[in-house]
Amino acid sequence: NAGVTQTPKFRVLKTGQSMTLLCAQDMNHEYMYWYRQDPGMGLRLIHYSVGEGTTAKGEVPDGYNVSRLKKQNFLLGLESAAPSQTSVYFCASGMGRTRGKLFFGSGTQLSVL
Amino acid sequence: EDQVTQSPEALRLQEGESSSLNCSYTVSGLRGLFWYRQDPGKGPEFLFTLYSAGEEKEKERLKATLTKKESFLHITAPKPEDSATYLCAVQGQGGETSGSRLTFGEGTQLTVNP
Repeated sequence: NAGVTQTPKFRVLKTGQSMTLLCAQDMNHEYMYWYRQDPGMGLRLIHYSVGEGTTAKGEVPDGYNVSRLKKQNFLLGLESAAPSQTSVYFCASGMGRTRGKLFFGSGTQLSVL
Repeated sequence: EDQVTQSPEALRLQEGESSSLNCSYTVSGLRGLFWYRQDPGKGPEFLFTLYSAGEEKEKERLKATLTKKESFLHITAPKPEDSATYLCAVQGQGGETSGSRLTFGEGTQLTVNP
């Protein structure tokens, strides 16, 4: 059982470049989330989705876009990367009704130079 | 706005030396308080959910308790393998209408020396 899989694991971008982070889950979860984790800031919610075809803004959505075309996949896009987006990105999924029991991927370390 | 503050930021213990981690929270209508464990280079892993003041949950050497303003994670006779960052999170009144979203604290980095 793979759980939540994130790709890539590491990426280095130059300022202004674009990229997409992919998250896939095989647990048939309705809810999916993208968080970023920075030293001294904790985990902060970027965007989330409560089902296929839906997305919503979290705490720090600026500079990011997301799509949930299939229930099992949640994509996070950076259209024009900035050094402030250097972070570790985590995808998570959950059933919603389990009230906060989330399953996290192993993270993507992104550096923007 | 929901807020979570964890203390201490870092804690070093000797193997077998029991202690507690603190999580203070401010939330509009608590729907749940959650503890996660995060190992270096990995995503957080779910430990416990607490729903109401007075509730307690246990798992091996860990015991989580909840009051109306804070939660404690008690670690009894810790072992080196308990070394990790422990994260606390709350779910507020928005519940499923706001995606069952969680607000996380910054975590306590626990190191247990043999």
